[in-house]
Amino acid sequence: GDSVTQMEGPVTLSEEAFLTINCTYTATGYPSLFWYVQYPGEGLQLLLKATKADDKGSNKGFEATYRKETTSFHLEKGSVQVSDSAVYFCALSETQGGSEKLVFGKGTKLTVNP
Amino acid sequence: EPEVTQTPSHQVTQMGQEVILRCVPISNHLYFYWYRQILGQKVEFLVSFYNNEISEKSEIFDDQFSVERPDGSNFTLKIRSTKLEDSAMYFCASKRSGLGQGTQYFGPGTRLLVL
Repeated sequence: GDSVTQMEGPVTLSEEAFLTINCTYTATGYPSLFWYVQYPGEGLQLLLKATKADDKGSNKGFEATYRKETTSFHLEKGSVQVSDSAVYFCALSETQGGSEKLVFGKGTKLTVNP
Repeated sequence: EPEVTQTPSHQVTQMGQEVILRCVPISNHLYFYWYRQILGQKVEFLVSFYNNEISEKSEIFDDQFSVERPDGSNFTLKIRSTKLEDSAMYFCASKRSGLGQGTQYFGPGTRLLVL
C-alpha cells in the first residue's frame, strides 16, 4: 500500500529560525497530500493541503509544494514562533475500491525556544 | 466553528473488559473514520463508515472491534475484550464530501490505557 516517510524529530529551533520538515511518499495513484498539526493536549488539525502536482498549500506562514517528480511534500516556514511548537504529521489520502483513508507519517515534534 | 468531539478524553480499563469510545462528528458530515496511534508510532487507519455501513477496515480492525452510529449524531467504537496492545490514542474523524474531495476533521482523541 501507499506510505509516507517524514523526518524524524525532535526538532528544536530558536524563534525566527527557518523550518523545513521533510516528507516523501510512495503511492500508486495520485493522492492528495496533507500536513496536520497537533498542539499539546489537542487533536489533529489540518494545517494545509495540496490536491495535485505543483500545487502549493499554505496557511499561517507554512508552505508545502506537491512535487510529483521527487514524490515529496516538504513543510517550510520562514520564521517560526514559540506558538508553532507542536507535532507535525504528513499524510496522503489513499483511495481504493470506493473508499478513502489517510496514511500518516510518524510525526515530527517541533520545539521553538524564545 | 463546528468541531468533532470525543468522550472520554482518557479511559483506563482492565484487560478483557469492553470499552466504548464515543465521537460526535460534525453535523452535516457523511463519512466517518477511526484511527489510532500507539505511543511513539504512526497514526494508523482502523475503519471508515458511510451510509450506515463499514466502507473499509484495516487488518487491525478484527472481530473484537465494532462501530456503530446509533442515533444519527454519535459514532462509537467498541472494543469487546481489550488487550494490552490496544493501549493507544484513538482519533475519530469526519468528512462531508466523497472520494478525493474535502478534508477529514479530527477530534481531540481518547487515550485508552489497558492494564
